[in-house]
Amino acid sequence: GIQVEQSPPDLILQEGANSTLRCNFSDSVNNLQWFHQNPWGQLINLFYIPSGTKQNGRLSATTVATERYSLLYISSSQTTDSGVYFCAVDGGGFKTIFGAGTRLFVKA
Amino acid sequence: GAGVSQTPSNKVTEKGKYVELRCDPISGHTALYWYRQSLGQGPEFLIYFQGTGAADDSGLPNDRFFAVRPEGSVSTLKIQRTERGDSAMYLCASSFGKTGLKYFGPGTRLTVT
Repeated sequence: GIQVEQSPPDLILQEGANSTLRCNFSDSVNNLQWFHQNPWGQLINLFYIPSGTKQNGRLSATTVATERYSLLYISSSQTTDSGVYFCAVDGGGFKTIFGAGTRLFVKA
Repeated sequence: GAGVSQTPSNKVTEKGKYVELRCDPISGHTALYWYRQSLGQGPEFLIYFQGTGAADDSGLPNDRFFAVRPEGSVSTLKIQRTERGDSAMYLCASSFGKTGLKYFGPGTRLTVT
């Protein structure tokens, strides 16, 4: 099956800093989503981005499907950005395969 | 409703007992998914419904786990003879069609003592 690798596994930022999270996947995918899991466990959709670039406020994402990776950019980080960021892909079929996540802590 | 809802939010049960976890998807969403998330890991696929039928149940770990969606809306995940290893967050998601954007519920945290 498709393998999804995320890096870095852990990240500590000072408030206001920028960061880039990476997601590599091992095969072609039908779609890709980025999620933020808050401290209460709720998974929140950030981007649905099988290819191209999207922006939403301080967040943006780019997926290069031909090279099998996606990047999530966080600019001017805030303490509320803390949590776990997951990349999830759909290959053939219906399963969504999640990476292990990047655990982000933003210090005030 | 406005989003996916799951009940109960927390469930503590004793080893060997039977539990049911409920998921109410977003109205009109035809696809429904169950995932299990252990501490420090990403969610793992359990089962996918398209309408009333289980289109893919390959993620169910063993025959103690079963899920139904009798009317194509609400789904129930059923776990028989619970074991301590079943302790995890159980997440439900729904989408409009199998390739649509997935929306996740808040999860049910199951603890087996």
